[in-house]
Amino acid sequence: QSVLTQPPSVSGAPGQRVTISCTGSSSNIGAGFDVHWYQHLPGTAPKLLIYGHSDRPSGVPDRFSGSKSGTSASLAITGLQAEDEADYYCQSYDSSLTGVVFGGGTKLTVL
Amino acid sequence: EVQLVQSGAEVKKPGESLKISCKGSGYRFTTYWIGWVRQMPGKDLQWMGIIYPGDSDTRYSPSFQGQVTISADKSISTAYLQWSSLKASDTAIYYCARSAGVYYYMDVWGKGTTVTVSS
Repeated sequence: QSVLTQPPSVSGAPGQRVTISCTGSSSNIGAGFDVHWYQHLPGTAPKLLIYGHSDRPSGVPDRFSGSKSGTSASLAITGLQAEDEADYYCQSYDSSLTGVVFGGGTKLTVL
Repeated sequence: EVQLVQSGAEVKKPGESLKISCKGSGYRFTTYWIGWVRQMPGKDLQWMGIIYPGDSDTRYSPSFQGQVTISADKSISTAYLQWSSLKASDTAIYYCARSAGVYYYMDVWGKGTTVTVSS
């Protein structure tokens, strides 16, 4: 069981908006450690999507946005496209485990 | 171009040793951390540990402490992940990734090394 909890799957039609939650605790997200998001297509390297809760690396479309509140964070994807179909992971740091922790991953299906 | 190039796929038997590599280029290798992430078949990403090639400061996930060894040779800009005695449960894809620090995000990833352990 992952330290950060994500829904196993979400889905949406092209053009719609979806959100993926990442729930942590007082030893990670709630302790103020940053949350980052990755997009992972099977057979490829994970790609950094959002860092520091809400910042986007160069080249990532502004359809992707991140937010954080309390012990949770969220990734929002607007204007859903077929190419967004992938696994999405949140990541933070946990002071109790003294290490990086990932969420269990969320599979996004574009209907 | 900043990139991490990982060594090729490996097929090993239980009990054998293995060392896989991750070579950085396009940036100053000694000023960024290199982390290792495991993805078992059909499973999620698991952080294994991280090393700072500049001084070989290494941190391990409690889940992987004592199970693997992370090292680096800064003279050839290469980080390593090694096992002394593989188990079937080590079958996975292993990714290396660059990070600015232990608490930070991983901004550049290698393409992964597939390790298959089977008798």
